[in-house]
Amino acid sequence: ETGVTQSPTHLIKTRGQQVTLRCSSQSGHNTVSWYQQALGQGPQFIFQYYREEENGRGNFPPRFSGLQFPNYSSELNVNALELDDSALYLCASSLEEGQETQYFGPGTRLLVL
Amino acid sequence: GESVGLHLPTLSVQEGDNSIINCAYSNSASDYFIWYKQESGKGPQFIIDIRSNMDKRQGQRVTVLLNKTVKHLSLQIAATQPGDSAVYFCAENSLMEYGNKLVFGAGTILRVKS
Repeated sequence: ETGVTQSPTHLIKTRGQQVTLRCSSQSGHNTVSWYQQALGQGPQFIFQYYREEENGRGNFPPRFSGLQFPNYSSELNVNALELDDSALYLCASSLEEGQETQYFGPGTRLLVL
Repeated sequence: GESVGLHLPTLSVQEGDNSIINCAYSNSASDYFIWYKQESGKGPQFIIDIRSNMDKRQGQRVTVLLNKTVKHLSLQIAATQPGDSAVYFCAENSLMEYGNKLVFGAGTILRVKS
């Protein structure tokens, strides 16, 4: 157990809709990263938050956005959903900014129809 | 661009045998690497890590070897058990202007036959 939880576990949406995924980091971990994992592939970095500020972003469009809250929870928001957004979304927490070891939650499986 | 890749997409081993999973990375400046295990329906689970100032690191039944000359990592699992069946990823730490991200390869499926 990593102490990182995510909700919901599964979600079905249709194209054009918006979705919010939630993550609760391990207590004391003030850095959270989000990854997208397509079927049969490794996780791809979306962005990272540290002390409620985005401090790095991968190759994802602006319709992917996030928030981090003081209570170690965070959100991933995706607007205007596309079929290719269907994937497992993972959040990972680490103790401090730049601390390399990241501990992953179980993920949210999103299906876009 | 940066990439981390694996040589073998699927590895089948007999229970009790040793397993070796290989990984190549492209960024010679990388100084930290992690192996993760991902079981079906779960998130990646940290197994072992290694820094670039080391060639070898051992854990419980697992050993990671790092060859910086050829930019190659391997994960050795001793006395492989059915519970080791999973997808294994190597990940390379990549520094950003602020913070860090992990760059993953595609993964190797390990199947343990009883």
